[in-house]
Amino acid sequence: EAQVTQNPRYLITVTGKKLTVTCSQNMNHEYMSWYRQDPGLGLRQIYYSMNVEVTDKGDVPEGYKVSRKEKRNFPLILESPSPNQTSLYFCASSRKYNQKSETQYFGPGTRLLVL
Amino acid sequence: DAKTTQPNSMESNEEEPVHLPCNHSTISGTDYIHWYRQLPSQGPEYVIHGLTSNVNNRMASLAIAEDRKSSTLILHRATLRDAAVYYCIHTTSGTYKYIFGTGTRLKVLA
Repeated sequence: EAQVTQNPRYLITVTGKKLTVTCSQNMNHEYMSWYRQDPGLGLRQIYYSMNVEVTDKGDVPEGYKVSRKEKRNFPLILESPSPNQTSLYFCASSRKYNQKSETQYFGPGTRLLVL
Repeated sequence: DAKTTQPNSMESNEEEPVHLPCNHSTISGTDYIHWYRQLPSQGPEYVIHGLTSNVNNRMASLAIAEDRKSSTLILHRATLRDAAVYYCIHTTSGTYKYIFGTGTRLKVLA
């Protein structure tokens, strides 16, 4: 089944403790992206990747890192999480990065609480 | 940066058509207009997209203004399962960055 998976789905952590949220897609998609969703602010793009080893900042990249060493995986890294990064996170992928008609497929979301 | 403007919420009666508007005054000539919806406790899912012409699929229709600065998502017969937050988006010109607005929360009344 074609899908985007995220792990973990729920995470509670403390300020400053490094964490990684994994994202994987099995559709051989070029484009992958991370979003965060907060009440009243909608979805905001954090980082995106056009292909392996090619990443760029979205709208709200501060406090996050990403890497794209393999086509299927796009982990989101919080080196030193803070309470303002408490949010619902979504990973998404689409087939081609340079085709603006492409559909994005979203994962189920990861709910993060930083104490 | 690209910005879309949508009403915060709308209501519709079941089995009636719904027209969800979106303004995207900063869109450039090559940017597609996409609509996604987010059901409760789920990730967004694709609804429809278009460039200049009106588009139809099994889920909805998309009407795009001639100047492309606005579009309307049309659900022909709203059902209770269509209750969701609907987002219209497009890429920021010259980048592959997507900006979602705050969306329209659609309530469908039985």
